[in-house]
Amino acid sequence: AQSVTQPDIHITVSEGASLELRCNYSYGATPYLFWYVQSPGQGLQLLLKYFSGDTLVQGIKGFEAEFKRSQSSFNLRKPSVHWSDAAEYFCAVGARGNKLVFGAGTILRVKS
Amino acid sequence: DTGVSQNPRHKITKRGQNVTFRCDPISEHNRLYWYRQTLGQGPEFLTYFQNEAQLEKSRLLSDRFSAERPKGSFSTLEIQRTEQGDSAMYLCASSWVQDNSPLHFGNGTRLTVT
Repeated sequence: AQSVTQPDIHITVSEGASLELRCNYSYGATPYLFWYVQSPGQGLQLLLKYFSGDTLVQGIKGFEAEFKRSQSSFNLRKPSVHWSDAAEYFCAVGARGNKLVFGAGTILRVKS
Repeated sequence: DTGVSQNPRHKITKRGQNVTFRCDPISEHNRLYWYRQTLGQGPEFLTYFQNEAQLEKSRLLSDRFSAERPKGSFSTLEIQRTEQGDSAMYLCASSWVQDNSPLHFGNGTRLTVT
């Protein structure tokens, strides 16, 4: 069965610093991978997705993610974090029927 | 594209009461999904529809839960005889039918059972 692990429950970074959020997945075939962001009390907004091809994918708000099959990872990165990036981030793997299996999320705090 | 709309945004109910939530998906989307999210967790899949057909239900969806999408447009999720453990955010999403089509989420309905 598909599963997603986000090892970090909370991460705190200083504004302007770089960010990397970790995601490991378990899936038997070539995965469809997604990163979503959720602000408090809101739904989830798609940041980026990977289906095939170039393993480095660009998303909205300056985020990027790299798919590494050998490590079963899909880590999210941003070179310079802004205070408005503070939110909860979810990695997800796509299953049959577009059903998504989500990780438990990583809460990002940004220090000014 | 007006986005996925969910109503109500918040619902407080007493244990044992029935509640119903509504989701209006993006109009061109064939698929509609319901997820449940509890504090500190990622969303968990409950069920999904392709047009009016309910194609899959999670074992999380007990007999007290029922979902419909009668005309292949909006959907309702009903919880009968609510329990305190039902307190959660209920999220609706929609997508195209293609397997790589991303899900677009609504802002959710926050249910509190007292």
